[in-house]
Amino acid sequence: EAQVTQNPRYLITVTGKKLTVTCSQNMNHEYMSWYRQDPGLGLRQIYYSMNVEVTDKGDVPEGYKVSRKEKRNFPLILESPSPNQTSLYFCASSRRGQFNSPLHFGNGTRLTVT
Amino acid sequence: GESVGLHLPTLSVQEGDNSIINCAYSNSASDYFIWYKQESGKGPQFIIDIRSNMDKRQGQRVTVLLNKTVKHLSLQIAATQPGDSAVYFCAEMVNTPLVFGKGTRLSVIA
Repeated sequence: EAQVTQNPRYLITVTGKKLTVTCSQNMNHEYMSWYRQDPGLGLRQIYYSMNVEVTDKGDVPEGYKVSRKEKRNFPLILESPSPNQTSLYFCASSRRGQFNSPLHFGNGTRLTVT
Repeated sequence: GESVGLHLPTLSVQEGDNSIINCAYSNSASDYFIWYKQESGKGPQFIIDIRSNMDKRQGQRVTVLLNKTVKHLSLQIAATQPGDSAVYFCAEMVNTPLVFGKGTRLSVIA
């Protein structure tokens, strides 16, 4: 089954404790992206990757890192999480991130930072 | 399930009626538009897309209309069913990345 898989689904952590949210897609998509979703603000892009070893900042990159060492994986790293990073996070992928190529989303990771 | 938006516009529709969800987009240069559906506890799911050289596109029970003059996009759902209850987002694209609207919550009354 074609899918984007995120882990974990739920994560509660404390301020400053490094964490990684994994994302994997099995559709051989070049383009991958991370979003956060907050009430009243909608989906905002954190980082995206057009292909292996190519990453770019989105609208809200501060406090996050990503890597794209392999085509299928795009982990999101929070080196020192803070409470304002409490949010619902989505990973997404598409064939090439261009025209006529809709995003496929994972089912989300609910992160709480205390 | 997770809350995707506490203050979203809400549309309540009787089961079996048609639903129309509207979206105003911001960039007159946008050339590709997508509608997504997000159910509670899930990620957004692609419904239908349309290019800027079209003004209408139909899928199964859904139709998207594009009015470039007023920068307006609408999603029409025919014979709305309880399973259509969700938050619906439009998204526009000029170059990557997509820009998402904040969404409309559709509630279907049985």
